[in-house]
Amino acid sequence: GESVGLHLPTLSVQEGDNSIINCAYSNSASDYFIWYKQESGKGPQFIIDIRSNMDKRQGQRVTVLLNKTVKHLSLQIAATQPGDSAVYFCAENPRRVTGRRALTFGSGTRLQVQP
Amino acid sequence: NAGVTQTPKFQVLKTGQSMTLQCAQDMNHEYMSWYRQDPGMGLRLIHYSVGAGITDQGEVPNGYNVSRSTTEDFPLRLLSAAPSQTSVYFCASSYSTGGRGEQYFGPGTRLTVT
Repeated sequence: GESVGLHLPTLSVQEGDNSIINCAYSNSASDYFIWYKQESGKGPQFIIDIRSNMDKRQGQRVTVLLNKTVKHLSLQIAATQPGDSAVYFCAENPRRVTGRRALTFGSGTRLQVQP
Repeated sequence: NAGVTQTPKFQVLKTGQSMTLQCAQDMNHEYMSWYRQDPGMGLRLIHYSVGAGITDQGEVPNGYNVSRSTTEDFPLRLLSAAPSQTSVYFCASSYSTGGRGEQYFGPGTRLTVT
């Protein structure tokens, strides 16, 4: 079936640098996307979301970019800090295809911030 | 507010045993869901509910039952545990019932089936 996937399983960056985490989605009917952060031993935490009628959305130190033409989603983290070290998941809502009012999660990217 | 709470935090079962994972939220959210997370993987949806008395299947519902008798509680029952159900289980709740918007996750239950 269709799924959400990530290009890089592990991303290592220097503290203070910008991070870019990528996600490819295969369901062109998805109209909602979301990013979660999961620290070791904890449940996922919401970071930012975006609807398909937008190309870009900014939060505090984070920006999500959506390219519907190539079905690509990215999360940019500015001035990456040690506290940003975690696994990041993208997810989509393919309700128009599945009929489920639910998210489909990707497999995650581990971000490691080097001091 | 306590948010989303899950009990127990850890559980070891023998194959064939049954048990209930508890989940409660105090945010008056209509939408609740159960996910499992296997090592190195994302979350897979087991069951979800858009309100009291309403439940629906997710991607991997086999071997699990749910009920939603109150807005606050959404227990997950394992009918006859199998080693393949060894996983970390997360419960989540959301104000939005459309599968969009922020979901608040509990701390998880780590289940081992031997």
